Amino acid sequence: EVQLMESGGGLIQPGGSLRLSCAASGFAVTHYSISWVRQAPGKGLECVSTLYGEGDTYFADSVKGRVTISRDTSNNTVFLQINSLRAEDTAMYYCARVYGHNWFDSWGQGTLVIVSS
Amino acid sequence: ETVLTQSPGTLSLSPGERATLSCRASQSVDSYYLAWYQQKPGQSPRLLIYAASTRANGVPDRFSGSGSGTDFILTISRLEPEDFVVYYCQHYGDKRWTFGQGTKVEIK
Repeated sequence: EVQLMESGGGLIQPGGSLRLSCAASGFAVTHYSISWVRQAPGKGLECVSTLYGEGDTYFADSVKGRVTISRDTSNNTVFLQINSLRAEDTAMYYCARVYGHNWFDSWGQGTLVIVSS
Repeated sequence: ETVLTQSPGTLSLSPGERATLSCRASQSVDSYYLAWYQQKPGQSPRLLIYAASTRANGVPDRFSGSGSGTDFILTISRLEPEDFVVYYCQHYGDKRWTFGQGTKVEIK
C-alpha cells in the first residue's frame, strides 16, 4: 500500500527556517517524483516544489531561492527545507506522489506550518 | 504559464441532482495532463479523474470527466451527501503544476 507521512511542521517566527519530512512507503522515491503542495487556510492548492525521480527539481516562483528539496534514499524520505519564512508561507503542507510528470495520485495527511511572531 | 479558472465558485444543488463543474484553461492544453481532485473538510485532496476523463481507482462511476482544448468538465451524475465538498482541476505543463481555485458544491 502506498503511504506518505509528513512531519516537521509547527509554529515558527518570521525569518526562521524549517525542514519538512515526507516518509514514503509502498514504493521507492527514486522511482517517482514527489511534490510538496501547500494550502493556506481557507485557500486553494499550490505546488511549491517537486523532486523528480531522476533528481531534477522544480520550485514555484513564490519560494524560489528560499527552498531546497532533497531525499534520503536509505530512509525513502523526501525533505523540504524552507528558509526566510514569511507570514504568507503559513499553510498546510502536503507531500504527494506524482504519476509520470502529470497528476498527484497519492497524498499524505499534511503538516501545518504557522509563521507568526 | 497556463491559468486554470474554475466556475462557478460555489454550486448549490440538492442530493440526487446533477452537478456540472467547469475548468477553463487560459490556453489550449493537452487533455492528458488535466486532472480533477476532491477535497473533503480536514482531509488531503483525493485524485478523482486523470487524463481528463479516466476515473482513478475506487472512484464511483457517478463521477465523469470530459473536455478538450481549453474547456473541461467534471460531472457528478447524481449527488450523494458525501459529494458536497470542494473540487479542484489541475494541469501539468511547461514543467509546472497549476491548480484551479476550486469549486465548492454545497447543499441547497
